[in-house]
Amino acid sequence: EPEVTQTPSHQVTQMGQEVILRCVPISNHLYFYWYRQILGQKVEFLVSFYNNEISEKSEIFDDQFSVERPDGSNFTLKIRSTKLEDSAMYFCASSEGQGAAYNEQFFGPGTRLTVL
Amino acid sequence: SQKIEQNSEALNIQEGKTATLTCNYTNYSPAYLQWYRQDPGRGPVFLLLIRENEKEKRKERLKVTFDTTLKQSLFHITASQPADSATYLCASGDKIIFGKGTRLHILP
Repeated sequence: EPEVTQTPSHQVTQMGQEVILRCVPISNHLYFYWYRQILGQKVEFLVSFYNNEISEKSEIFDDQFSVERPDGSNFTLKIRSTKLEDSAMYFCASSEGQGAAYNEQFFGPGTRLTVL
Repeated sequence: SQKIEQNSEALNIQEGKTATLTCNYTNYSPAYLQWYRQDPGRGPVFLLLIRENEKEKRKERLKVTFDTTLKQSLFHITASQPADSATYLCASGDKIIFGKGTRLHILP
């Protein structure tokens, strides 16, 4: 069964460093998403991406964040200058179409980011 | 602001009984609600979606209801099994808003 994959599973970085989290969405999916979950808290939407553009983003997704689809398979989330409060589990998701009402989002296993 | 609330943080149910989880929403009228399962250290897994014009949706041992008057969705697992133990999340919106989840423990 096709699945979303994410690398690395765990990333440790020093405050102020840049990190890139990688995702390989399901191959025929066109819509891609990033979410984060701080330990013990809700899963929070960060950004959605379609046709090489950001479709929607939340207030959390400020200038330190960026997303890219550098090739036909990878989808990346870059955090330019990490802060302690960026420590969280980051989930990538993908769907065939737009609109969660009609298109199930498939989530990856997550990358645990620890900022020291 | 739009809110999705799952008031029970944890729920213990005896194996074989029906588990019922509650999701309440405030300050908006969602066109649909989704339910996900999340196991520790894993991503959410989609279970069921119910639209506002549907009163009830079923999938195997799972049932979801949507009451727009009470602004509430109920999620039922019948004949519960220890393998059903997980956190269950209610969610809505294209920029999906998740509830905090209910940790369900099925006791053997």
